[in-house]
Amino acid sequence: GENVEQHPSTLSVQEGDSAVIKCTYSDSASNYFPWYKQELGKRPQLIIDIRSNVGEKKDQRIAVTLNKTAKHFSLHITETQPEDSAVYFCAASTGDSNYQLIWGAGTKLIIKP
Amino acid sequence: GAVVSQHPSWVICKSGTSVKIECRSLDFQATTMFWYRQFPKQSLMLMATSNEGSKATYEQGVEKDKFLINHASLTLSTLTVTSAHPEDSSFYICSARGDTNEKLFFGSGTQLSVL
Repeated sequence: GENVEQHPSTLSVQEGDSAVIKCTYSDSASNYFPWYKQELGKRPQLIIDIRSNVGEKKDQRIAVTLNKTAKHFSLHITETQPEDSAVYFCAASTGDSNYQLIWGAGTKLIIKP
Repeated sequence: GAVVSQHPSWVICKSGTSVKIECRSLDFQATTMFWYRQFPKQSLMLMATSNEGSKATYEQGVEKDKFLINHASLTLSTLTVTSAHPEDSSFYICSARGDTNEKLFFGSGTQLSVL
């Protein structure tokens, strides 16, 4: 079955700098890759997603890139702000099994003032 | 955007009692709902998948007789933790998906503490 690995587990960056979180997946049939942000004690919120027919997607300071050949996708946050501090989860889905998502282990992003 | 409501937000109960958690999709019909358990500083662990009107599909290692899931309508799913014990203490969170796309929306979660 699908396996998703996420790195790093913790990332600390200076406010204003960029942050990059990477995920790799094992199932070449995966075709949907969302990223969720979860603040402490709160629900995960979808921040951006990408489908396998697209190589890159951008939404203001957030972007996601997908390399299907290498089977990895990355989240890029530019001009980081204190409110970006949270745990970020990547996930992958093949569209089978009710679009069940296979989750990465999460990355704790710390923005240093 | 799609809104998923989950209640209660937190519950404290005595060992041996049962606790029911509700998950409602407020502005869309949830074809599929997922129930997760999350331990502190860990990822989401899928417990079960439920489709409206059919029995839930449980992940390996999850006791279906202990974690009862009912998805009786397209807007409501419930998780009942039966005969709760301290080891069941955790953050339980539901998510829902409509039938138009694969986007998943989460409830606000329920922090369960069993004394």
